Amino acid sequence: AQSVAQPEDQVNVAEGNPLTVKCTYSVSGNPYLFWYVQYPNRGLQFLLKYITGDNLVKGSYGFEAEFNKSQTSFHLKKPSALVSDSALYFCAVRDMANFNKFYFGSGTKLNVKP
Amino acid sequence: GAGVSQSPSNKVTEKGKDVELRCDPISGHTALYWYRQSLGQGLEFLIYFQGNSAPDKSGLPSDRFSAERTGGSVSTLTIQRTQQEDSAVYLCASSPTGSSGNTIYFGEGSWLTVV
Repeated sequence: AQSVAQPEDQVNVAEGNPLTVKCTYSVSGNPYLFWYVQYPNRGLQFLLKYITGDNLVKGSYGFEAEFNKSQTSFHLKKPSALVSDSALYFCAVRDMANFNKFYFGSGTKLNVKP
Repeated sequence: GAGVSQSPSNKVTEKGKDVELRCDPISGHTALYWYRQSLGQGLEFLIYFQGNSAPDKSGLPSDRFSAERTGGSVSTLTIQRTQQEDSAVYLCASSPTGSSGNTIYFGEGSWLTVV
């Protein structure tokens, strides 16, 4: 079965410091991996995705994610955090054997302090 | 439309009443999804439509929940005899199909409170 794990409920980082939000996955076959961000009282916004190709994927708002097949990870990163990055982040994997299913992680709350 | 549109954005209803939540997907998107998100929690898959048919209803939590989609576009999620545990944000998402259909785009959600 496909699954996604976000091991941290919350990540705290100071503004200007690099940030990492962790995600590991379990899939059969090649994974389609996604990151979404949810600001308070809003829907989810697409940030970036990995389908194939370069392991480092760049997305919106200066975020990037690194696909690591051997570690089955897809961690979200940003070199310099902003207070406005504070939000809830979701990792997701698409079930390639069943195109309708997106499996979402439980979410990680990112707090960036000034 | 430019994005996925959901209505109402907020709904307060009395326990036992029926509610209807509407989703208007991005124009041309054939796939449509409903998810539920309890306060500050993750996403719970409810149902998926491809066109007007629903090949996967596995996430609907009880027979009080139903959904339909007409004309391959607008979808309605209906909750009958609402209970307090139904209070949540109901999120709709859509995507195109084919090789480009690998990203889903969400609406702003319908915030349901059952009192």
